[in-house]
Amino acid sequence: EVQLLESGGGLVQPGGSLRLSCAASGLTFSNYAMAWVRQPPGKGPEWVSGISGDATRTYYADSVKGRFTISRDNSKNMLYMQMNSLRVEDTAVYYCAKYHGLGSYDAFDIWGQGTMVTVSS
Amino acid sequence: DIQMTQSPSSLSASVGDRVTITCRASQNIITYLNWYQQKPGKAPQLLIYAASSLKGGVPSRFSGSGSGTDFTLTISSLQPEDFATYYCQQTYSVRTFGEGTKVEIK
Repeated sequence: EVQLLESGGGLVQPGGSLRLSCAASGLTFSNYAMAWVRQPPGKGPEWVSGISGDATRTYYADSVKGRFTISRDNSKNMLYMQMNSLRVEDTAVYYCAKYHGLGSYDAFDIWGQGTMVTVSS
Repeated sequence: DIQMTQSPSSLSASVGDRVTITCRASQNIITYLNWYQQKPGKAPQLLIYAASSLKGGVPSRFSGSGSGTDFTLTISSLQPEDFATYYCQQTYSVRTFGEGTKVEIK
């Protein structure tokens, strides 16, 4: 069974930093692109960042570009998100999610349970 | 970014009812449209991809249709476990989601 388990969330002041981790199991991790998706309280999900299976390509939403850095360690089956210069509007549950390619289509077919990030003074 | 607008934002229905949720894209996304179900405190789960293809293991009472800018998720006979929030997501460009439709018990 494929499982994703996030950790690293918490309460941080505006301008602070956090590093999220996602441990993957039950899959050949390096075969799959991965993403971070966040969901502010009471709102819809928002794609934040993605990374290719071999880590050569990374992608960011405009809202986090220059502040967040996605990375992965395929030898450890781990996905990371370094979040700097955090803002109040970054408050959300952060999910790691696995991309599933379906021909020319894709979807997030496996999600972790999420980790809460609260940015507040 | 492409904006995704869902309607209604919430609805009340009874077990056995036929339920239809609509998603409209701000530009043509062909059929690059997914549907997810989310229950309280849980992560979203994929139901339908490519507008109308059912993910394996998803009950056949769920169906999707549409192309271009207008899409529909239909639950043919609502079951107790279907009370949840449903989100559409476009994968034509930078991934964006709708704001959700909450299906509540009448």
